[in-house]
Amino acid sequence: EAGVAQSPRYKIIEKRQSVAFWCNPISGHATLYWYQQILGQGPKLLIQFQNNGVVDDSQLPKDRFSAERLKGVDSTLKIQPAKLEDSAVYLCASSQDHSYEQYFGPGTRLTVT
Amino acid sequence: EDQVTQSPEALRLQEGESSSLNCSYTVSGLRGLFWYRQDPGKGPEFLFTLYSAGEEKEKERLKATLTKKESFLHITAPKPEDSATYLCAVQDNAGKSTFGDGTTLTVKP
Repeated sequence: EAGVAQSPRYKIIEKRQSVAFWCNPISGHATLYWYQQILGQGPKLLIQFQNNGVVDDSQLPKDRFSAERLKGVDSTLKIQPAKLEDSAVYLCASSQDHSYEQYFGPGTRLTVT
Repeated sequence: EDQVTQSPEALRLQEGESSSLNCSYTVSGLRGLFWYRQDPGKGPEFLFTLYSAGEEKEKERLKATLTKKESFLHITAPKPEDSATYLCAVQDNAGKSTFGDGTTLTVKP
């Protein structure tokens, strides 16, 4: 069974630029999550989708971050404009349903200079 | 607001020296408590799910237990390959997940 795919793996941008991350979850998984993980900290939930509807986006900085999950499969997370404090690893995870264990992708390491 | 606190932040053990990692939590209705392992440069890898107080799960040298306020991850006779960061997460009745900051375990041969 293929795991969660993410791209790119690394990205370096200057502040005020925009960036987009892509995630392809495990086939058949209804729930998709985006997390931000700052070095030395645990993952912080940004947004949770159930199929293509948003379940929780209470910690998403909506003035600069946006996310969508088209047709309940792939998802993209966008940052525009980026700030220095957005430097982190962005993790995508999926689960069979919202009560099940999550399977994580390898993450995208973002550096904002 | 749900909260998860893990201790210690870092733990160094000699190979074969057993110990425990702690995860204390406050949650508005616990749906499940999850343990994950994270290796450097990788995403977290699922280990266990615990649903109710008194429940225990085992896998190789790892054993997870759950009470109403905390969970323990016991590591018996660890090996160097057990070195990783161990993350604890809770899911509340609304389906929201909250992670702790992890315990970084180093096992020296």
